[in-house]
Formats: sequence, structure tokens, C-alpha cells
Amino acid sequence: SAVISQKPSRDICQRGTSLTIQCQVDSQVTMMFWYRQQPGQSLTLIATANQGSEATYESGFVIDKFPISRPNLTFSTLTVSNMSPEDSSIYLCSAGSSGSFNEQFFGPGTRLTVL
Amino acid sequence: GQNIDQPTEMTATEGAIVQINCTYQTSGFNGLFWYQQHAGEAPTFLSYNVLDGLEEKGRFSSFLSRSKGYSYLLLKELQMKDSASYLCAVEGYNFNKFYFGSGTKLNVKP
Repeated sequence: SAVISQKPSRDICQRGTSLTIQCQVDSQVTMMFWYRQQPGQSLTLIATANQGSEATYESGFVIDKFPISRPNLTFSTLTVSNMSPEDSSIYLCSAGSSGSFNEQFFGPGTRLTVL
Repeated sequence: GQNIDQPTEMTATEGAIVQINCTYQTSGFNGLFWYQQHAGEAPTFLSYNVLDGLEEKGRFSSFLSRSKGYSYLLLKELQMKDSASYLCAVEGYNFNKFYFGSGTKLNVKP
């Protein structure tokens, strides 16, 4: 299994600013992902964070709005840029295992409120 | 596109059995996962199915029919602590890429 931590755990931000969320895994993992979870909703995949190359974004998400870094096999960041109240959500990172099946482990999430 | 459907909410009584269904239509299938998520917490892994049939794990069992695009999670001997959201997730063509259903909020009553 993998233990994942995220910073910050929560933040309140002003419209038009940017916030960078950090995700740290306690072991090297091949795959890391970023999700968004609106209140009372399920998880929507934003992008796959690729080590050493650009992230792969899902439909509806773009690099200019959600730039992602993955400098090594244990760390990734997600930036929410030029925020608006619609970006208020919980952002979770996850790491893929390399066991017998491809389980994902999730971080505790970052609760973002944009005023 | 990916389409994964679950009931929004269910209520059951402590000690009873409850079945949460999930139907899916996805471009590719490499496995189906069930996660439990308590309010304000991260999802935690419950079960995995890749072949048709039933996987049992203590009080929790999960069933898969690939031909029908159908799975269910069975919870036995319900406890109050089982009150949570249950998320069905399908791993698509790309390994490790998960697509989640909307989640089923389970309320367990005394």
C-alpha cells in the first residue's frame, strides 16, 4: 500500500488568484492522478501526472487552468489557476499500485473555497 | 465516453443486508473497483473484480457480470459505521485510469 499526504488540507482563496496543491507519496509509484470532487458528488479525473513529461488531461480540463508537475516518482503538484467560485471543490491526488491489480490509493484531499 | 450508474442514496437497518448496484458502459474494461468514502475523508479500497463471479471479503462481497456491464456490492450484518458513500469505479483501457460512478450514499439506521 501507499500512504499519501496533501498540503494544504484546506484553503480559502480570492477570485483571480492561484493555489498550488502538493501531493507526497511515501514510496515510489508509477502512476499519479488528480481528481476533483464537488460537494456531494463523485470523483472526476482531471489528469494523469506523468513523471518526466507533460500531464495527460481529461476532456474538459486544460493545462493552462490546471498545470501539473511530477518531478519524481513520489511527488506531484496541481495548480488551480485564475480561480473562480466554480473551482470550489475538493481536490484529491491518488497513486497507482504495482501489485497484482491496479488499486489506487487516495490522499486526504484539499478542500478549496474560492470567494 | 464513460457511463457508470449507481443509485444516489439507500437506507438500511443495522444488522440487515444491503445490495448496491452499479451498471457501466465504458470504452475498455480492465477491472471494477468498489471504494468506501466517509464524509470528509479519502476513498478507501473495498474490493476488486476482473472476472465474472463473486468475490467475498468478510462482511463485504462484490459481484461482476462483464457481459451485462453490471456489478453489485453486498454488505452483510450492517453496522452503523457502514454509513458512508460507496463508489463504483471502472478501470478503462489505460491501466490505472479510473472512471467513477456518482456514488451511493448508504444510511444505516438503528
